[in-house]
Amino acid sequence: AQKVTQAQTEISVVEKEDVTLDCVYETRDTTYYLFWYKQPPSGELVFLIRRNSFDEQNEISGRYSWNFQKSTSSFNFTITASQVVDSAVYFCALSEANQAGTALIFGKGTTLSVSS
Amino acid sequence: DAGVTQSPTHLIKTRGQQVTLRCSPKSGHDTVSWYQQALGQGPQFIFQYYEEEERQRGNFPDRFSGHQFPNYSSELNVNALLLGDSALYLCASSPEQGEYTEAFFGQGTRLTVV
Repeated sequence: AQKVTQAQTEISVVEKEDVTLDCVYETRDTTYYLFWYKQPPSGELVFLIRRNSFDEQNEISGRYSWNFQKSTSSFNFTITASQVVDSAVYFCALSEANQAGTALIFGKGTTLSVSS
Repeated sequence: DAGVTQSPTHLIKTRGQQVTLRCSPKSGHDTVSWYQQALGQGPQFIFQYYEEEERQRGNFPDRFSGHQFPNYSSELNVNALLLGDSALYLCASSPEQGEYTEAFFGQGTRLTVV
């Protein structure tokens, strides 16, 4: 069965601190996709990154970076020099290639609060 | 370019009633998915429509049904509402391509069942 676990329910940091959000996934498929979404108070889920199971290269986009490790089934997300605007709920999600559609399985989310 | 739009934004219904939520996908997208997000939880997949057919379904009862129209817009219908159906309902759209691409989400419909 597929599952996504985000063990950190809430994280509070002060501006300019670095913060890492953890994501551990379970799947029997060899081909799958991993995602991170951000959900601000407005409710809309904002896409941040997609990674397929064959690409273990880490990625950096501005202050955001992602560490994908198949050996530990983890796909962690780091925000460097956090800002107040980073405050939101962050979701990790998984989609298996071997399914009829492209359903996403989400974790329960991590609420990040950045104070000034 | 309009993104995914959902209507209404908020809705209050009484237990036992029926509700219809609507979604217009992002331009160029032909696949629509619906998710239910209870307070403090991650979104849960309800079903996905492609070419006006339900292509994939999550673990939701038959009270939840949907439809996709030729213009790719979609409706989510919930019958015999329960208090536990109170949630944020999110619609997501994506293009059907050879390689998987990300889903774009609307701002959701907040349904309250009293």
